[in-house]
Amino acid sequence: SQQGEEDPQALSIQEGENATMNCSYKTSINNLQWYRQNSGRGLVHLILIRSNEREKHSGRLRVTLDTSKKSSSLLITASRAADTASYFCATAPYRGGTYKYIFGTGTRLKVLA
Amino acid sequence: EAGVAQSPRYKIIEKRQSVAFWCNPISGHATLYWYQQILGQGPKLLIQFQNNGVVDDSQLPKDRFSAERLKGVDSTLKIQPAKLEDSAVYLCASSLGPGQETQYFGPGTRLLVL
Repeated sequence: SQQGEEDPQALSIQEGENATMNCSYKTSINNLQWYRQNSGRGLVHLILIRSNEREKHSGRLRVTLDTSKKSSSLLITASRAADTASYFCATAPYRGGTYKYIFGTGTRLKVLA
Repeated sequence: EAGVAQSPRYKIIEKRQSVAFWCNPISGHATLYWYQQILGQGPKLLIQFQNNGVVDDSQLPKDRFSAERLKGVDSTLKIQPAKLEDSAVYLCASSLGPGQETQYFGPGTRLLVL
């Protein structure tokens, strides 16, 4: 089963608007990562937030983490057409003597020019 | 710095045939991952190597899938025999270490089983 569940499943916005997507997870984590996947291409790491951090910024990206609610959000400000992609959260809970990466179901973002 | 390389990029086979995918990770990355991504879903971890040893293959369908990592560098993933439901993108990723580190993904191999 997927550790992470993103919502919404799909999001369509106008260029220049902000986009917010959420991720919920089930078990305790050391960090949570967000990845982007453009159509037909591999995943690209965007940002990592550790369990002792509440907020992190990288350029137009802002990530928050609420470990009490087991949730994270990714905010993309001033969106561009090039931001059109699927966004996944990923966690790596420690199970069976190793860290097991689990990706969420993804949010498909479409930015209209 | 060169990224993760995968080949082939596309493969079309008939059910019950066999297929193999190759991955060359980023130099110096000890951990290598194979993922299966079915259309419209997130990647699902199939197997994880630490150097040339398997640390997790709990989601690998071992009756038909096999993987190896030669000398702790390149890796191959094989499916034999293939089923229709194996149609997916197979992604290889590598990281410096297990679990805690950022993963770097290759472009993937898109497999279609007819």
